[in-house]
Amino acid sequence: DAGVTQSPTHLIKTRGQHVTLRCSPISGHKSVSWYQQVLGQGPQFIFQYYEKEERGRGNFPDRFSARQFPNYSSELNVNALLLGDSALYLCASSIAGQTYTDTQYFGPGTRLTVL
Amino acid sequence: SQKIEQNSEALNIQEGKTATLTCNYTNYSPAYLQWYRQDPGRGPVFLLLIRENEKEKRKERLKVTFDTTLKQSLFHITASQPADSATYLCALDLTGANNLFFGTGTRLTVIP
Repeated sequence: DAGVTQSPTHLIKTRGQHVTLRCSPISGHKSVSWYQQVLGQGPQFIFQYYEKEERGRGNFPDRFSARQFPNYSSELNVNALLLGDSALYLCASSIAGQTYTDTQYFGPGTRLTVL
Repeated sequence: SQKIEQNSEALNIQEGKTATLTCNYTNYSPAYLQWYRQDPGRGPVFLLLIRENEKEKRKERLKVTFDTTLKQSLFHITASQPADSATYLCALDLTGANNLFFGTGTRLTVIP
């Protein structure tokens, strides 16, 4: 079975641009969460989606948005990029997003560099 | 504010010894705590979950303890091997809303 896939693998943008990152969850998983991991830090929670509805949002500005599609894949959008947005963006999928009972499976991430 | 701290950025141990990593949290009483392993350039991989009513949990060479009075979890790898070298992260649901918050991680190096 395929794991969580993310695209693109690497991305270079300049300040002020917009970026869209994509995630395909494991087949049968209905929840997707997005995390930002800055070098040397742990992942920081951005969003959780379940059945196309936003279930949770972390402490990120409105420049960050996301959505989940009927096939449960997801997109993370970041507008007006800043240098500080440079990070590894991780997607995690789980059956129903219940972190108490459902194992979260992480994808390999998208490395975003903002110049 | 809520905070999760892992004892050190880096830990070097000799092969065959037991590695012990610490995760401390403040200002919250989580129902459970999770440990993950992350290799360079890869996403974290789930290892173990321990609930507040469990003092200890084991999986092969891994052992996790959870002391809700001290607000601390200890993660042990016994008979460590060079293949255990990685960054280990603890994670908590700090809001009760199924959103995981991670510590900064401890980079473990097992020296042959």
